[in-house]
Amino acid sequence: DQQVKQNSPSLSVQEGRISILNCDYTNSMFDYFLWYKKYPAEGPTFLISISSIKDKNEDGRFTVFLNKSAKHLSLHIVPSQPGDSAVYFCAASRSNDYKLSFGAGTTVTVRA
Amino acid sequence: DSGVTQTPKHLITATGQRVTLRCSPRSGDLSVYWYQQSLDQGLQFLIQYYNGEERAKGNILERFSAQQFPDLHSELNLSSLELGDSALYFCASSVGGLPHTGELFFGEGSRLTVL
Repeated sequence: DQQVKQNSPSLSVQEGRISILNCDYTNSMFDYFLWYKKYPAEGPTFLISISSIKDKNEDGRFTVFLNKSAKHLSLHIVPSQPGDSAVYFCAASRSNDYKLSFGAGTTVTVRA
Repeated sequence: DSGVTQTPKHLITATGQRVTLRCSPRSGDLSVYWYQQSLDQGLQFLIQYYNGEERAKGNILERFSAQQFPDLHSELNLSSLELGDSALYFCASSVGGLPHTGELFFGEGSRLTVL
């Protein structure tokens, strides 16, 4: 039961341009959303999060947008840099729930 | 370096065998989570411990078990292994008991190959 879906397995973008990663969820009870970044041979690392009371959260080059009515969130990376090449996981949870539900990940490749 | 240590990094074994994966959380973190990542899949939550007690269970098979010891390290035991158990097993830790009250810190994972 995949409650969090990342329908694009990969994304290629030119350095300096915007990367947009999309994530859809099915559980309307989710109220906290996170993005994790993973390099090869490393564990995922926390990138940015947003709670359902907001529709946007920004941290430097990274911005997450939440559209609750569409059950959709996106991660924008502007400008994209070669070091951003990694797998990005979207995750979601409910308040007072002890688990995060993860999407399958999107592999981002930033071309020089 | 996240501060979470997992051993072994790689493990190759045969069907029917039993293995133990070990995790040492970050200093001060009370919660330990186990996740499984199979090929081209997202991370599937298996189980969480908080300060030695099981807090939540996810899609963990009956052949799998885990525990958290008084020194807060955790072990994931996988028995009667099947080919489909081949995956990357991640351990993560956090200070609190809820994953979104503090971000999760993941180890590098233990890659299990069952032949």
